[in-house]
Amino acid sequence: AQSVTQPDIHITVSEGASLELRCNYSYGATPYLFWYVQSPGQGLQLLLKYFSGDTLVQGIKGFEAEFKRSQSSFNLRKPSVHWSDAAEYFCAVGHMYNAGNMLTFGGGTRLMVKP
Amino acid sequence: EPEVTQTPSHQVTQMGQEVILRCVPISNHLYFYWYRQILGQKVEFLVSFYNNEISEKSEIFDDQFSVERPDGSNFTLKIRSTKLEDSAMYFCARGTGIEKTGELFFGEGSRLTVL
Repeated sequence: AQSVTQPDIHITVSEGASLELRCNYSYGATPYLFWYVQSPGQGLQLLLKYFSGDTLVQGIKGFEAEFKRSQSSFNLRKPSVHWSDAAEYFCAVGHMYNAGNMLTFGGGTRLMVKP
Repeated sequence: EPEVTQTPSHQVTQMGQEVILRCVPISNHLYFYWYRQILGQKVEFLVSFYNNEISEKSEIFDDQFSVERPDGSNFTLKIRSTKLEDSAMYFCARGTGIEKTGELFFGEGSRLTVL
């Protein structure tokens, strides 16, 4: 069965600093990987996704993520964090089956941004 | 603007009562999903619904749960007799219509509180 681990439960960074959120997955085949963001009281918004091809994917809000098969990782990065990036971030792996997609989520990383 | 609209945004109910959570997609799609997030825990898959039938469900989705799309528009999750441990945020999601991409679009969630 697939699983996703986000080792960092909380991360605090200063505004303007760079950010890297870690994600490790376990999946038997080529994974479909996603990062979602959840702002307080809001739903889950897709930041970016990896299906195949270029292992460095660009997303919305200036985020990017790199798929590293050898490390089973899909870490999320942003070169300069803004205060509005404070939220909870979820990594997920998709399991494709006959009639749809089931996502397995990691436990999330809560990002706090210091002024 | 959310891809799906969920109602109610928050519901408080007594243990043993029936609850119906509703989801209305902005555009017409065939693939729908329910996920839930117990406070402080991972987002978990409940059930997927394709072409008016359940296509996949998790072990969480027991006989107390049901889903339907009675009028071809609203997609509902019913909990027949709520338990305290059903307190959670419930997210509806829709697929892209091209399910091999695996991308899901989530609503803003319905918070259920069982007393």
